[in-house]
Amino acid sequence: DAGVIQSPRHEVTEMGQEVTLRCKPISGHNSLFWYRQTMMRGLELLIYFNNNVPIDDSGMPEDRFSAKMPNASFSTLKIQPSEPRDSAVYFCASSIAGGFQETQYFGPGTRLLVL
Amino acid sequence: GQQLNQSPQSMFIQEGEDVSMNCTSSSIFNTWLWYKQDPGEGPVLLIALYKAGELTSNGRLTAQFGITRKDSFLNISASIPSDVGIYFCAGHAGGTSYGKLTFGQGTILTVHP
Repeated sequence: DAGVIQSPRHEVTEMGQEVTLRCKPISGHNSLFWYRQTMMRGLELLIYFNNNVPIDDSGMPEDRFSAKMPNASFSTLKIQPSEPRDSAVYFCASSIAGGFQETQYFGPGTRLLVL
Repeated sequence: GQQLNQSPQSMFIQEGEDVSMNCTSSSIFNTWLWYKQDPGEGPVLLIALYKAGELTSNGRLTAQFGITRKDSFLNISASIPSDVGIYFCAGHAGGTSYGKLTFGQGTILTVHP
């Protein structure tokens, strides 16, 4: 299996620009999670989906952030407009939820720098 | 909400030494997971524990699911330089949480050759 795939791996943009992060979960997984990691705040859960439906977006910092999952094999996290404080590593993870043995598998992350 | 307290926050050890870290929770979990994050990479699953009292090994790593279901520990024996990284514990509460995990704050491990 290819694992969770994220793109781009690195993104440098200027303040005010729109940023779109992409994730392809592991085939057959029905839950998808977006996390943000910074030195100050550690690993934060932003939003998660089950069967392509957003379940909990309470971790999304503000309205500038939005996430979609149009089908079982693709999700996006969009920041518009971006700000320097959005600089972080963004991870996508997927799992088979509802089974007996819960685990999550992480992608390699997107390192975002907003200048 | 649920919280996991992971300790220690950081460790500086000599190559060859054994390492122990643990996580405690204010509430019960049905699953305990341990991840390692290498610099510049995403967390990688090391060990998964699904039963209270379960003791599981993966090479030099050993982890246990506490009897009370509120704690877990991870031991690394005979550490080597490539053990360097951040170790996270995570718990799953079960029920209709759709696979959502609660993570500890992480333990930063430094191994001196």
